[in-house]
Amino acid sequence: SQQGEEDPQALSIQEGENATMNCSYKTSINNLQWYRQNSGRGLVHLILIRSNEREKHSGRLRVTLDTSKKSSSLLITASRAADTASYFCATDAETDSWGKLQFGAGTQVVVTP
Amino acid sequence: DTGVSQNPRHKITKRGQNVTFRCDPISEHNRLYWYRQTLGQGPEFLTYFQNEAQLEKSRLLSDRFSAERPKGSFSTLEIQRTEQGDSAMYLCASSLGTGLNQPQHFGDGTRLSIL
Repeated sequence: SQQGEEDPQALSIQEGENATMNCSYKTSINNLQWYRQNSGRGLVHLILIRSNEREKHSGRLRVTLDTSKKSSSLLITASRAADTASYFCATDAETDSWGKLQFGAGTQVVVTP
Repeated sequence: DTGVSQNPRHKITKRGQNVTFRCDPISEHNRLYWYRQTLGQGPEFLTYFQNEAQLEKSRLLSDRFSAERPKGSFSTLEIQRTEQGDSAMYLCASSLGTGLNQPQHFGDGTRLSIL
């Protein structure tokens, strides 16, 4: 079973536009992480936000976390064609000690030139 | 940092055959994870090693699956008597074992196709 659910399932935008995707989860967490996956490749870590943090930035990426609503959002600003990929949120549950991640089904993002 | 390496990248085999995959983690990482990913889904946790000790196994890991990490370095995942439902991408990840809040670094996976 998957802990997180991403919304929307798919997103199509033009270069220069912003892309926002959301993640909801079910249990208390140590942290929430966002990963990117290009077709046929492994996952690339983007951002880790701890349970006591509310917002984090990395370059064109902005992540928010609302633990009261058990939700997170990932914003990609000024998107580029190279941002075309699937984006996954993953949670490290508070009950787990080993850093095991539970992933959602992902948001497929297509950025057209 | 050469990244996490997985071999082979692709494996095609007939139902009933045994297959083995290898994962070489980032050298200083003592935590190693295996995940399975089917088309259109996120990765699902299979098993976890801290150094050479296998500390957790998912219910997804049936008796036909076995994983090892001798000497706490590379790891192997073996599937015996493969079935159609085993077709998936098998991903390996590693991380530093210095407590919580460590990102995982993934390899490019081994895609298994069962004929």
